Amino acid sequence: NAGVTQTPKFQVLKTGQSMTLQCAQDMNHNSMYWYRQDPGMGLRLIYYSASEGTTDKGEVPNGYNVSRLNKREFSLRLESAAPSQTSVYFCASSARQGIRTEAFFGQGTRLTVV
Amino acid sequence: DAKTTQPNSMESNEEEPVHLPCNHSTISGTDYIHWYRQLPSQGPEYVIHGLTSNVNNRMASLAIAEDRKSSTLILHRATLRDAAVYYCIGGSGNTGKLIFGQGTTLQVKP
Repeated sequence: NAGVTQTPKFQVLKTGQSMTLQCAQDMNHNSMYWYRQDPGMGLRLIYYSASEGTTDKGEVPNGYNVSRLNKREFSLRLESAAPSQTSVYFCASSARQGIRTEAFFGQGTRLTVV
Repeated sequence: DAKTTQPNSMESNEEEPVHLPCNHSTISGTDYIHWYRQLPSQGPEYVIHGLTSNVNNRMASLAIAEDRKSSTLILHRATLRDAAVYYCIGGSGNTGKLIFGQGTTLQVKP
């Protein structure tokens, strides 16, 4: 069972470059989430998708865009990367709206912007 | 979103019980209380959740105060593998958002 798969695992970008972080889940979950975690800090919600076709802003959405491509996939795009976006990014999914069910997390994408 | 308050860090000896507290005084009546933990260099993993009653599973127990303004995660016998950051999530109403706080870093000493 793959669970939640994130690609890539590591990435170095130059300031101003763009990239898309990919996330896919194979558990037929409705809800998906993107978080960032800065060193020594807790997780902060960037965007989430309660169901296919819907997305909503989280705590720190500025500088990011998301696409819920289908039920399985939820991508996070950085249009013009900045050093402040250096972080570890986690994707998660849950069967229903997160607070009522268990969420499963990917292993993270470690992004460095130089 | 309900705000949660947890101690920054706690220590325990191996094989002893650990009680991790969480305050969630603004929780609404329909919000579940979730606990997750994050081992070093890994993504968070689910531990337990509950609404009003105390809950048990193979990993831990969750004791919820009668007024639901606080809860305690209980690890019955701490092992070195339980050293992690433990996050309490006190509910987000109907928004569906999972909002993490700063968590409690648990150190387990052999």
